[in-house]
Amino acid sequence: TQLLEQSPQFLSIQEGENLTVYCNSSSVFSSLQWYRQEPGEGPVLLVTVVTGGEVKKLKRLTFQFGDARKDSSLHITAAQPGDTGLYLCAGAEPDDYKLSFGAGTTVTVRA
Amino acid sequence: GAGVSQSPSNKVTEKGKDVELRCDPISGHTALYWYRQRLGQGLEFLIYFQGNSAPDKSGLPSDRFSAERTGESVSTLTIQRTQQEDSAVYLCASSRRTRRTEAFFGQGTRLTVV
Repeated sequence: TQLLEQSPQFLSIQEGENLTVYCNSSSVFSSLQWYRQEPGEGPVLLVTVVTGGEVKKLKRLTFQFGDARKDSSLHITAAQPGDTGLYLCAGAEPDDYKLSFGAGTTVTVRA
Repeated sequence: GAGVSQSPSNKVTEKGKDVELRCDPISGHTALYWYRQRLGQGLEFLIYFQGNSAPDKSGLPSDRFSAERTGESVSTLTIQRTQQEDSAVYLCASSRRTRRTEAFFGQGTRLTVV
């Protein structure tokens, strides 16, 4: 059983559309991160959120940490083919800060 | 080094042989993780090190898999008597032990068992 559940597992959209990926858990995290992985590469950190209710924006990407620090969402506005990749969320457990990863959401943006 | 380094980048081995995969974490990163990733899939957790101890090795799929770490430095993942189902990319990541705990990944080792 994954500590973090990501949904949807796969997402295919047309260029210019918006998309949202969800990361949910019953556990509280001290911080939560989002990563993107492109084919043949290791995952790369996009953002870290620490405070409950925190919202961070990175160009067309908006990240939100739930008030209770148990869940997060990633919203992409006007998606582009360059946004294609595997998106992973990861939470740091409060006791020892060990990271737990979700299974990932594969996003495909068609031109 | 500047980033997490994994070697070899590619490894082709015959079924039944043993293989060793190496990970050099970022200096000062006390936490180290090994993951397995099959083609088109997400990350499968294998083992977590804090310093040279492994408080969580629950992801190791069988007793053919083992890992060790020297202090807060290099880690080696060993797969004995490799099977075809072991073919995958093996990723290593390291992080500091802080509230932000941001992980940095290596490029991975692509293992092919023939």
